[in-house]
Amino acid sequence: EILLTQSPGTLSLSPGERATLSCRASQSVSSSYLAWYQQKPGQAPRLLIYGASDRATGIPDRFSGSGSGTDFTLTISRLEPEDFAVYYCQQYGSSPPTFGPGTKVDIK
Amino acid sequence: QVQLVQSGADVKKPGASVKVSCKASGYTFTTYGISWMRQAPGQGLDWMGWISAYNGNTSYAQNLQGRVTMTTDTSTSTAYMELRSLRSDDTAVYYCARIEYYYAAGSYYISSGFDYWGQGTLVTVSS
Repeated sequence: EILLTQSPGTLSLSPGERATLSCRASQSVSSSYLAWYQQKPGQAPRLLIYGASDRATGIPDRFSGSGSGTDFTLTISRLEPEDFAVYYCQQYGSSPPTFGPGTKVDIK
Repeated sequence: QVQLVQSGADVKKPGASVKVSCKASGYTFTTYGISWMRQAPGQGLDWMGWISAYNGNTSYAQNLQGRVTMTTDTSTSTAYMELRSLRSDDTAVYYCARIEYYYAAGSYYISSGFDYWGQGTLVTVSS
């Protein structure tokens, strides 16, 4: 099973700032099958990025993903008020699919 | 538009079973799979398994083998997840999500992020 670690655990930033979230895998993620999700309190997760760098339908271009192998990054270029949430990475290239523990982005 | 609508919250006693439904609309049900996840209060996401809506092929998380069964009813475009022998640590919000997959060399592989999710179903296990 591929273990995912995310850092930092919490990121305190102000609206308009840039957010950089990291996801590291215990072994190489097959075919860059790495996704990022956003979850707000009381809501289901929402797919942001799949295939490490492809934006899902309707996702603003301030969200971007990069990386390959074992190191991946989600960047939010300029934080909007609605972006403060928990972000999870997930690998789906190897069974079982696994999720990271999450990074909380909160308002500084 | 694609929608997954789950059944309502449920309260069960330890040792009982629960069956959660996930009704799909807005796409051809049998072209995709359905994956199930759960999230204990204040915790992260745990993958439980997935089922092909085309042929019913399933893959379950190892720690749930023997307690979980996933099925589909193609006549109503509905997926089901049944969890048996419930314990207090099964208390969680349960989610379904749509997935793409492919078949190669005798095995099935997920090939996409989980793009549409149900709203979640809170299952509380308490005596």
